[in-house]
Amino acid sequence: GEDVEQSLFLSVREGDSSVINCTYTDSSSTYLYWYKQEPGAGLQLLTYIFSNMDMKQDQRLTVLLNKKDKHLSLRIADTQTGDSAIYFCAERGDSWGKFQFGAGTQVVVTP
Amino acid sequence: DAGVTQSPTHLIKTRGQQVTLRCSPKSGHDTVSWYQQALGQGPQFIFQYYEEEERQRGNFPDRFSGHQFPNYSSELNVNALLLGDSALYLCASSLSAGANVLTFGAGSRLTVL
Repeated sequence: GEDVEQSLFLSVREGDSSVINCTYTDSSSTYLYWYKQEPGAGLQLLTYIFSNMDMKQDQRLTVLLNKKDKHLSLRIADTQTGDSAIYFCAERGDSWGKFQFGAGTQVVVTP
Repeated sequence: DAGVTQSPTHLIKTRGQQVTLRCSPKSGHDTVSWYQQALGQGPQFIFQYYEEEERQRGNFPDRFSGHQFPNYSSELNVNALLLGDSALYLCASSLSAGANVLTFGAGSRLTVL
């Protein structure tokens, strides 16, 4: 079956880079996503990558995809206190509309 | 431009009761998906509605049902509530059933006592 796994917690100092990792099992994944959730809020799409790409950069965010190892990472440059949140990795396989999410990585940014 | 709106934001029910949650999709979107997010977990896919029909369904019992209206808004109904149904219910809309981007609402927090 499909499974998406993430580490549960990451602590980073303000101004440093954060790297959040994710592994998935569905080899038919077409798109992979990073969403951000702040306390009491819904999910905000940060970025996504098509499965035939290796890397995507969007301002402070860099997504790396290793399709062979089914590994996805999100790097946040110059991490700010406003980046403190839970980050979810998700994949969409062949089934339209069904996104498979990981359990989320809580990122805490300390001054 | 309003995004995805959900109501109510919070509600409390007791075991055995029924609940209806509502969702209005983002302007221009015609497809609605529902997700359940239990505390400390990622969202789990419940089902997707497109053209007023359920198109896909996740691993949820028949107690969970839904509806989509001609204006693309949607309802999620849960019957015979269990304590384990306590969760944040998220509605997401998209441009079509096969769209690669979901826009989420802020969710409805259901507590079952």
